Order: sequence, then C-alpha cells, then structure tokens
Amino acid sequence: DTGVSQDPRHKITKRGQNVTFRCDPISEHNRLYWYRQTLGQGPEFLTYFQNEAQLEKSRLLSDRFSAERPKGSFSTLEIQRTEQGDSAMYLCASSAHLVPRQFFGPGTRLTVL
Amino acid sequence: GIQVEQSPPDLILQEGANSTLRCNFSDSVNNLQWFHQNPWGQLINLFYIPSGTKQNGRLSATTVATERYSLLYISSSQTTDSGVYFCAVAGSGGGADGLTFGKGTHLIIQP
Repeated sequence: DTGVSQDPRHKITKRGQNVTFRCDPISEHNRLYWYRQTLGQGPEFLTYFQNEAQLEKSRLLSDRFSAERPKGSFSTLEIQRTEQGDSAMYLCASSAHLVPRQFFGPGTRLTVL
Repeated sequence: GIQVEQSPPDLILQEGANSTLRCNFSDSVNNLQWFHQNPWGQLINLFYIPSGTKQNGRLSATTVATERYSLLYISSSQTTDSGVYFCAVAGSGGGADGLTFGKGTHLIIQP
C-alpha cells in the first residue's frame, strides 16, 4: 500500500499524559499536513511541512502541540499535558510540490479521559 | 480567514438520482479541492479544481473563481456515494497551503 499511513489508529489516554502520533506520507510527496477533526465538523488545519521545514502553523496549534519532520519523510505530532478538549481525529495528508492535491491517511482517533 | 459555506447541509436521495452540491467561498483562492468522507471516516480526494471544469466518471466539478463558488455534480447516485462531501480552499496569499474546510454536505443514498 503506497498511500498515507498513520499510527496508531486509536489512542486512549488520561488527562495530563503526553501522546505522540506518527504519519508516513506518500513516498514521492514533499509536503505534509496535519489536521484535526471533531464530530460533525470539517477538518481544521494545524500545520504543514515542505520537506523538513515547518512553513505554516495555525493558531489552533497551542504550545502544548509540537510537530516535527526530521528528515523530510515521516512526521510526528506530540501533544503534551493532554486535555479532554484534545479528543478528536488527527489527520495527516501529503501532496506533491507542483500539484497541491492532498491525500489523507486514515487518521488517529484520540480519546482523553 | 476565508469562510467556506456548503449547501445543502443534508441531502437524502433515491439510488439513480442526480444531485448538485454547492460551495461558496468568501475570498480569492488558488486551491480548491472536493473530498468524500466515507462512513468509515476515510477522506478521499475527488478533485483539485481551482478553476474550470473536470469530470471523473459519474462525478464532475466546476469552479467559477471570479464568482467565488464551486459545484459538485453526482449523476446516477449509488448507495456507495453516501457520506459527507467537503469543499476545501486555500487563499491566494503567500504560504496559504493549509486548507480551510466547509462543514460539508451529508448525503444519504437510499436503495
């Protein structure tokens, strides 16, 4: 399967714990995006990378959130000191540089108890 | 930021019917995409269409950028077309590649 993959698919954690999610983009894509989706809403943009450079961050990305893409391949999204309001589906997408059509992974569903 | 409005919010049709979904946006865009989120939550890219018309099988889309709207046409609906259809845009400002999504149109196709 050469699509976007995400791991884990589901994560249940207790409030105050740290969690980390991983995204592997389509191999030839140099752009990688993170979004968050809550029930009944469209996805909300969090941040995006071109290669290893983080080029844009949404105001939604509080200082408890950090994202990295160290070698321009896979990316991680870490949430520190999780809160119940962080419960959502976290989606990753990738696109090629010249054609910004975004392809999404299956998402990681986070539940904070 | 850019506002994206989709209509109708909900649509229930019989199998075989045709439908038109609309997306209005509040500012100039250089990127517009349509997605289908299936009942299992997977987002599938249908079209990248910042302007003009494209067709893919039973689906087609038209974007009139100067009038700030896009339309998605679904012909001869099948039950597998059920799900939520999202329009998403990015503005013409520098670095604006993060997409802003509308609230979606929830489509149910009944057999």
